[in-house]
Amino acid sequence: DSGVTQTPKHLITATGQRVTLRCSPRSGDLSVYWYQQSLDQGLQFLIQYYNGEERAKGNILERFSAQQFPDLHSELNLSSLELGDSALYFCASSPSRRDRVFWTGELFFGEGSRLTVL
Amino acid sequence: GENVEQHPSTLSVQEGDSAVIKCTYSDSASNYFPWYKQELGKRPQLIIDIRSNVGEKKDQRIAVTLNKTAKHFSLHITETQPEDSAVYFCAASWAGKLIFGQGTTLQVKP
Repeated sequence: DSGVTQTPKHLITATGQRVTLRCSPRSGDLSVYWYQQSLDQGLQFLIQYYNGEERAKGNILERFSAQQFPDLHSELNLSSLELGDSALYFCASSPSRRDRVFWTGELFFGEGSRLTVL
Repeated sequence: GENVEQHPSTLSVQEGDSAVIKCTYSDSASNYFPWYKQELGKRPQLIIDIRSNVGEKKDQRIAVTLNKTAKHFSLHITETQPEDSAVYFCAASWAGKLIFGQGTTLQVKP
């Protein structure tokens, strides 16, 4: 158990719909990362938050948005869903060093949320 | 932006042999290079990492080497065992982003 909790574990929805994936990081971790893993694909970096603020952005579609709340949990919102959005979405948290803004350490991944768009 | 290339995409070895996976990165400002192992249906887990001020790091049967000049780093697994079969991902970090390679599926045949 990594200490990172993701809900829901599985989600089936239709094209055009909107879903929200939720992530609770490990206790004390300020950084949250979101990744997309499609079938037979690698881990595509979507976005990173640090203590409530967006820190880094990857190839995240405009239809997708995310935020990190004051209690440090994060949500990834996916809208106008397309068949190609079907994937495993991972959240990961990481300890941070306040003395080094962009310091990266071990990422602890959740079990993922498997999204199927029909 | 940062790009990480990983080779080979698949690797099959006999139990007891060594396995080597190589990655190259594009941004010379990258300073942290972890390797993750993902077993089928599971989450990725860190197996070893190296920072840019170190050239080599070893942990039992696994080792990572870093060549900053050439911008490449490699994972070495010695005395492979069937339980080493998994997908291995390299990654490079810069400015808060951790960019992963496409992964290498390692099969260790008993």
